[in-house]
Amino acid sequence: GQNIDQPTEMTATEGAIVQINCTYQTSGFNGLFWYQQHAGEAPTFLSYNVLDGLEEKGRFSSFLSRSKGYSYLLLKELQMKDSASYLCAVMDSNYQLIWGAGTKLIIKP
Amino acid sequence: GAVVSQHPSWVICKSGTSVKIECRSLDFQATTMFWYRQFPKQSLMLMATSNEGSKATYEQGVEKDKFLINHASLTLSTLTVTSAHPEDSSFYICSARGGGADTGELFFGEGSRLTVL
Repeated sequence: GQNIDQPTEMTATEGAIVQINCTYQTSGFNGLFWYQQHAGEAPTFLSYNVLDGLEEKGRFSSFLSRSKGYSYLLLKELQMKDSASYLCAVMDSNYQLIWGAGTKLIIKP
Repeated sequence: GAVVSQHPSWVICKSGTSVKIECRSLDFQATTMFWYRQFPKQSLMLMATSNEGSKATYEQGVEKDKFLINHASLTLSTLTVTSAHPEDSSFYICSARGGGADTGELFFGEGSRLTVL
């Protein structure tokens, strides 16, 4: 079966760095997405990786290793507004998105 | 970036009535739109894939006669929850793939929160 694993919840301090991991087993691979979702709102796109390596976008970076079925989202200089759920999703060989359950990130002052 | 608009944002209805939710791509043509449902504290669950001009593809366990999807144009898809019941109360979100590329970015609507009394 297809499976996306990410931690349920993480806590970090304002100003610090946090890494949210995601491992996957899917039928084929056409890219991995990270989305941010604040409570009660729709998800917003953060990043898309299809090749191995690190993609940096401001305070957020995303890394992919296809051979290991592994990705992480790195958030630097954490701000209180970064408190949200972070969803990892993989597009399989049929171009369907397989979603992880999300990681709830709690930022403390 | 591309914009997807969903309407209404909030809807409250009586049990047994039908509710229609619209999803529009405002500045691009979307041949494929996706409908998701999210229950509190759970992840998004894909309900169906909507293709312009053809029948929607429903995920296993989703009743196609209860959740009617119409994708009549390249900028509009609608989800109708027929004979809604309290257990249908949920957050419904649509998304559209932009740019025509199979691996293009997904753009999400704002979501529609349905409460069935």
